Amino acid sequence: AQKITQTQPGMFVQEKEAVTLDCTYDTSDPSYGLFWYKQPSSGEMIFLIYQGSYDQQNATEGRYSLNFQKARKSANLVISASQLGDSAMYFCAMRYVLGAQKLVFGQGTRLTINP
Amino acid sequence: EAGVAQSPRYKIIEKRQSVAFWCNPISGHATLYWYQQILGQGPKLLIQFQNNGVVDDSQLPKDRFSAERLKGVDSTLKIQPAKLEDSAVYLCASSSVRGLNEQFFGPGTRLTVL
Repeated sequence: AQKITQTQPGMFVQEKEAVTLDCTYDTSDPSYGLFWYKQPSSGEMIFLIYQGSYDQQNATEGRYSLNFQKARKSANLVISASQLGDSAMYFCAMRYVLGAQKLVFGQGTRLTINP
Repeated sequence: EAGVAQSPRYKIIEKRQSVAFWCNPISGHATLYWYQQILGQGPKLLIQFQNNGVVDDSQLPKDRFSAERLKGVDSTLKIQPAKLEDSAVYLCASSSVRGLNEQFFGPGTRLTVL
């Protein structure tokens, strides 16, 4: 069964600093995808970045990058040059490539950016 | 392109009452998902539709929850009768069968059961 673990309930970072949000996962299936979502206080889930299990390069999307270490089963999100608007809940999620494509989410990390 | 629409945004009911939520996915998205997000937790899938067929409802409490997507477009999720532990945000998401299949989420319905 899939399992996602986010061990940091809360993170506090100064504006303009980089921040790393941790995510580890557990699966026996070789084909899967890893996602990061941002959930502001307004409640909607915003897709940030995706990493496929067979991708050779770490994914990047603007200020977001994913530090994918397959052997360690970790998929940490790195946000460079943090901004006040980055304050939100961040969720790591996993999905199998084949079959029902439901997302399994971690518990989330609340990120607070201080001015 | 319009996003996923949900209504109502907020609902307060008493236990044992019934409630229904509505979702309209992004146009052309064949797959629709309903998630339950209890405060302090990540979302948990309740049911997944592909067009108007159910793909996964393994975590749907079928004694009280039901969902339908009759014409393969919009969907309703119903709870009857509600319990205190059903207090949560109910998120609807949709995805295309092409590309990354990333799921696009609606704003959610916050349900409070008193």
